[in-house]
Amino acid sequence: DAGVTQSPTHLIKTRGQQVTLRCSPKSGHDTVSWYQQALGQGPQFIFQYYEEEERQRGNFPDRFSGHQFPNYSSELNVNALLLGDSALYLCASSSSNEQFFGPGTRLTVL
Amino acid sequence: QKEVEQDPGPLSVPEGAIVSLNCTYSNSAFQYFMWYRQYSRKGPELLMYTYSSGNKEDGRFTAQVDKSSKYISLFIRDSQPSDSATYLCAMSSTDSWGKLQFGAGTQVVVTP
Repeated sequence: DAGVTQSPTHLIKTRGQQVTLRCSPKSGHDTVSWYQQALGQGPQFIFQYYEEEERQRGNFPDRFSGHQFPNYSSELNVNALLLGDSALYLCASSSSNEQFFGPGTRLTVL
Repeated sequence: QKEVEQDPGPLSVPEGAIVSLNCTYSNSAFQYFMWYRQYSRKGPELLMYTYSSGNKEDGRFTAQVDKSSKYISLFIRDSQPSDSATYLCAMSSTDSWGKLQFGAGTQVVVTP
Protein backbone atom coordinates (compact mmCIF):
# COMPACT_ATOMS: atom_id res chain seq x y z
CA ASP A 1 0.00 0.00 0.00
CA ALA A 2 1.53 3.27 -1.14
CA GLY A 3 1.66 6.00 1.44
CA VAL A 4 1.11 9.66 0.72
CA THR A 5 2.83 10.70 -2.48
CA GLN A 6 3.74 14.19 -3.64
CA SER A 7 5.04 15.65 -6.86
CA PRO A 8 7.32 17.13 -7.87
CA THR A 9 10.13 16.45 -5.40
CA HIS A 10 11.92 19.70 -6.06
CA LEU A 11 10.93 22.87 -7.85
CA ILE A 12 12.74 26.12 -8.63
CA LYS A 13 10.72 29.21 -9.54
CA THR A 14 11.35 32.94 -9.79
CA ARG A 15 9.52 35.70 -7.97
CA GLY A 16 6.09 36.49 -9.36
CA GLN A 17 5.58 33.07 -10.94
CA GLN A 18 2.85 30.62 -10.07
CA VAL A 19 3.31 27.01 -8.89
CA THR A 20 1.11 23.92 -8.53
CA LEU A 21 2.00 21.09 -6.18
CA ARG A 22 0.23 17.73 -6.16
CA CYS A 23 -0.64 15.16 -3.53
CA SER A 24 -2.16 11.69 -3.57
CA PRO A 25 -3.43 10.48 -0.18
CA LYS A 26 -3.05 7.05 1.38
CA SER A 27 -5.59 4.50 0.24
CA GLY A 28 -8.78 4.89 2.27
CA HIS A 29 -8.04 8.46 3.36
CA ASP A 30 -10.53 11.16 2.35
CA THR A 31 -9.01 14.25 3.96
CA VAL A 32 -5.96 16.14 2.76
CA SER A 33 -4.12 18.88 4.64
CA TRP A 34 -1.28 21.09 3.41
CA TYR A 35 1.54 22.49 5.52
CA GLN A 36 4.48 24.81 4.88
CA GLN A 37 7.74 24.06 6.68
CA ALA A 38 10.47 26.68 6.64
CA LEU A 39 14.02 25.60 7.42
CA GLY A 40 14.48 24.91 11.11
CA GLN A 41 10.79 25.39 11.89
CA GLY A 42 7.82 23.15 12.51
CA PRO A 43 5.18 22.76 9.79
CA GLN A 44 2.57 25.53 9.56
CA PHE A 45 -1.00 24.61 8.61
CA ILE A 46 -2.16 26.10 5.31
CA PHE A 47 -5.56 24.47 4.75
CA GLN A 48 -7.49 21.22 4.76
CA TYR A 49 -9.78 19.67 2.16
CA TYR A 50 -12.61 17.22 2.71
CA GLU A 51 -15.31 16.24 0.21
CA GLU A 52 -13.75 18.64 -2.30
CA GLU A 53 -14.32 21.62 0.00
CA GLU A 54 -11.87 23.69 2.00
CA ARG A 55 -12.83 22.84 5.57
CA GLN A 56 -10.24 24.79 7.56
CA ARG A 57 -7.67 27.42 6.72
CA GLY A 58 -4.59 28.68 8.52
CA ASN A 59 -3.13 32.15 8.50
CA PHE A 60 -2.01 32.23 4.87
CA PRO A 61 -2.89 34.84 2.22
CA ASP A 62 -5.28 34.24 -0.67
CA ARG A 63 -2.27 33.66 -2.93
CA PHE A 64 -2.42 30.15 -1.52
CA SER A 65 -5.33 28.16 -2.91
CA GLY A 66 -6.16 24.52 -3.32
CA HIS A 67 -8.39 21.94 -4.79
CA GLN A 68 -9.46 18.39 -4.01
CA PHE A 69 -10.59 16.00 -6.73
CA PRO A 70 -13.25 13.26 -6.51
CA ASN A 71 -10.50 10.64 -6.05
CA TYR A 72 -9.35 12.62 -2.95
CA SER A 73 -6.08 13.78 -4.51
CA SER A 74 -5.29 17.44 -4.05
CA GLU A 75 -3.40 20.38 -5.48
CA LEU A 76 -1.84 23.39 -3.79
CA ASN A 77 -1.48 26.51 -5.93
CA VAL A 78 0.61 29.51 -4.99
CA ASN A 79 0.39 32.69 -7.08
CA ALA A 80 2.74 35.67 -7.25
CA LEU A 81 5.58 33.81 -5.56
CA LEU A 82 7.71 35.65 -3.01
CA LEU A 83 11.20 34.79 -1.84
CA GLY A 84 9.66 33.95 1.55
CA ASP A 85 7.58 31.18 -0.03
CA SER A 86 10.73 29.06 -0.28
CA ALA A 87 10.03 26.07 1.98
CA LEU A 88 9.19 22.38 2.15
CA TYR A 89 5.51 21.91 1.34
CA LEU A 90 4.00 18.91 3.03
CA CYS A 91 0.79 17.11 2.30
CA ALA A 92 -0.87 14.97 4.98
CA SER A 93 -3.80 12.61 4.57
CA SER A 94 -6.15 11.24 7.18
CA SER A 95 -9.44 9.48 7.76
CA SER A 96 -9.46 10.35 11.46
CA ASN A 97 -7.36 12.72 13.54
CA GLU A 98 -4.12 10.86 12.80
CA GLN A 99 -2.37 12.58 9.90
CA PHE A 100 0.22 10.85 7.75
CA PHE A 101 2.66 12.98 5.81
CA GLY A 102 4.17 12.65 2.38
CA PRO A 103 7.84 13.30 1.59
CA GLY A 104 7.18 16.92 0.66
CA THR A 105 7.98 19.19 -2.27
CA ARG A 106 10.94 21.49 -1.79
CA LEU A 107 10.18 24.84 -3.42
CA THR A 108 12.94 27.35 -4.02
CA VAL A 109 11.99 30.85 -5.14
CA LEU A 110 14.80 32.91 -6.68
CA GLN B 1 4.31 33.73 22.63
CA LYS B 2 3.91 30.64 20.47
CA GLU B 3 1.03 28.27 21.20
CA VAL B 4 3.45 25.32 21.33
CA GLU B 5 6.98 25.64 22.73
CA GLN B 6 9.68 23.07 22.10
CA ASP B 7 13.40 23.31 22.84
CA PRO B 8 15.24 23.11 19.50
CA GLY B 9 18.28 21.33 20.97
CA PRO B 10 20.44 19.76 19.73
CA LEU B 11 20.13 17.03 22.34
CA SER B 12 23.09 14.67 22.25
CA VAL B 13 22.96 11.30 24.05
CA PRO B 14 25.11 8.16 23.99
CA GLU B 15 23.72 5.01 22.41
CA GLY B 16 21.56 3.07 24.86
CA ALA B 17 20.54 6.11 26.91
CA ILE B 18 16.99 7.33 27.43
CA VAL B 19 16.00 10.31 25.30
CA SER B 20 13.59 12.69 27.03
CA LEU B 21 11.71 15.24 24.93
CA ASN B 22 8.97 17.64 25.91
CA CYS B 23 6.67 20.40 24.76
CA THR B 24 4.60 22.97 26.58
CA TYR B 25 1.49 24.62 25.23
CA SER B 26 -0.82 27.47 26.10
CA ASN B 27 -4.16 26.50 24.50
CA SER B 28 -6.20 24.53 27.05
CA ALA B 29 -8.52 23.39 24.24
CA PHE B 30 -5.89 21.02 22.84
CA GLN B 31 -7.10 17.43 23.26
CA TYR B 32 -5.14 15.46 20.64
CA PHE B 33 -1.37 15.10 20.97
CA MET B 34 1.10 13.61 18.54
CA TRP B 35 4.82 13.04 18.19
CA TYR B 36 6.45 12.90 14.79
CA ARG B 37 10.00 11.97 13.77
CA GLN B 38 11.53 13.77 10.82
CA TYR B 39 14.76 12.79 9.16
CA SER B 40 16.65 15.43 7.22
CA ARG B 41 14.83 16.48 4.05
CA LYS B 42 12.03 13.96 4.59
CA GLY B 43 8.40 14.19 5.62
CA PRO B 44 7.40 13.74 9.29
CA GLU B 45 6.61 10.18 10.40
CA LEU B 46 3.88 9.66 13.01
CA LEU B 47 5.30 7.94 16.11
CA MET B 48 2.70 8.35 18.83
CA TYR B 49 -0.87 9.61 19.06
CA THR B 50 -2.69 10.20 22.32
CA TYR B 51 -6.04 11.68 23.25
CA SER B 52 -6.41 13.78 26.41
CA SER B 53 -4.27 13.02 29.47
CA GLY B 54 -2.39 9.85 30.31
CA ASN B 55 0.43 7.61 29.17
CA LYS B 56 0.84 5.50 26.07
CA GLU B 57 3.59 3.01 25.35
CA ASP B 58 4.62 1.52 22.01
CA GLY B 59 7.81 -0.51 21.93
CA ARG B 60 10.70 1.74 22.96
CA PHE B 61 8.51 4.85 22.92
CA THR B 62 6.40 6.26 25.76
CA ALA B 63 4.24 9.36 25.41
CA GLN B 64 2.87 11.25 28.40
CA VAL B 65 0.30 14.02 28.49
CA ASP B 66 -0.30 16.22 31.55
CA LYS B 67 -3.13 18.56 30.62
CA SER B 68 -3.20 20.22 34.05
CA SER B 69 0.37 21.44 33.44
CA LYS B 70 -0.06 21.80 29.65
CA TYR B 71 3.01 19.62 29.20
CA ILE B 72 3.66 16.59 27.02
CA SER B 73 6.66 14.28 26.90
CA LEU B 74 8.16 11.58 24.73
CA PHE B 75 10.67 9.08 26.06
CA ILE B 76 12.80 6.84 23.86
CA ARG B 77 14.41 3.89 25.65
CA ASP B 78 17.57 2.11 24.51
CA SER B 79 18.32 4.83 21.98
CA GLN B 80 20.04 3.88 18.74
CA PRO B 81 22.03 5.97 16.22
CA SER B 82 19.09 5.47 13.84
CA ASP B 83 16.99 7.51 16.29
CA SER B 84 19.02 10.58 15.34
CA ALA B 85 16.43 12.91 13.83
CA THR B 86 14.26 15.91 14.60
CA TYR B 87 11.28 15.18 16.83
CA LEU B 88 8.19 17.32 16.43
CA CYS B 89 5.30 17.55 18.84
CA ALA B 90 1.89 18.43 17.40
CA MET B 91 -1.52 19.00 18.87
CA SER B 92 -5.05 19.99 17.96
CA SER B 93 -8.37 20.82 19.56
CA THR B 94 -11.77 19.21 19.12
CA ASP B 95 -13.22 22.16 17.19
CA SER B 96 -10.14 22.35 14.92
CA TRP B 97 -9.08 18.75 15.10
CA GLY B 98 -7.62 18.64 11.61
CA LYS B 99 -5.44 21.69 12.12
CA LEU B 100 -2.23 20.52 13.75
CA GLN B 101 -0.19 23.04 15.70
CA PHE B 102 3.47 22.01 15.72
CA GLY B 103 6.40 22.81 17.91
CA ALA B 104 9.63 23.90 16.23
CA GLY B 105 11.17 20.45 16.70
CA THR B 106 14.05 19.12 18.81
CA GLN B 107 17.12 17.77 17.03
CA VAL B 108 18.36 14.56 18.65
CA VAL B 109 21.80 13.07 18.05
CA VAL B 110 22.54 9.57 19.37
CA THR B 111 26.25 8.89 19.34
CA PRO B 112 27.64 5.33 19.05
